[in-house]
Amino acid sequence: RKEVEQDPGPFNVPEGATVAFNCTYSNSASQSFFWYRQDCRKEPKLLMSVYSSGNEDGRFTAQLNRASQYISLLIRDSKLSDSATYLCVCRVTGYSTLTFGKGTMLLVSP
Amino acid sequence: DGGITQSPKYLFRKEGQNVTLSCEQNLNHDAMYWYRQDPGQGLRLIYYSQIVNDFQKGDIAEGYSVSREKKESFPLTVTSAQKNPTAFYLCASSIAGTTNEKLFFGSGTQLSVL
Repeated sequence: RKEVEQDPGPFNVPEGATVAFNCTYSNSASQSFFWYRQDCRKEPKLLMSVYSSGNEDGRFTAQLNRASQYISLLIRDSKLSDSATYLCVCRVTGYSTLTFGKGTMLLVSP
Repeated sequence: DGGITQSPKYLFRKEGQNVTLSCEQNLNHDAMYWYRQDPGQGLRLIYYSQIVNDFQKGDIAEGYSVSREKKESFPLTVTSAQKNPTAFYLCASSIAGTTNEKLFFGSGTQLSVL
């Protein structure tokens, strides 16, 4: 069964804080992983892909742990504009579609 | 500018009525998708199409129908058989056939029942 689990939050953090989200996936055949960002009542937008060796894009770092079947997203130096819901997304080998988690809400306060 | 356009932004359905949500893309993408999102829930796949004149059911296809007569267009009809249609509907497209393909989403249609 394709399942992606996330802590719904909300994670309330002050500006400048570092925050991390985890996401677990149940299907060991999952091969591709992504983090999408969704603002309230808006469409999701790709934040970053997650590579096996881990990858960084500015203040954002994504990690993959295949043995434990989880991916993580680390946000450093949080900005007010980072407030959004972060969706964990997986693609299972042999499936042509993506499976979305329910999302983790982040609220960054002044 | 290339992109994916959904219309209308807001739609109201009367009981027993069929309504159609429009989705058009000029990205020359082969694959198109329809998702439904309920408050506090993840995106659930309704239908998808990887090529013109072909489409596949997703996880929650009951009460919905689609067509793919043109590459650019993938309209979704919410039929009267869908008893709980109130939700945020998202259309997306991608270049099919790659494992790291990026999904491009339209801005969504909020459907409510009168």
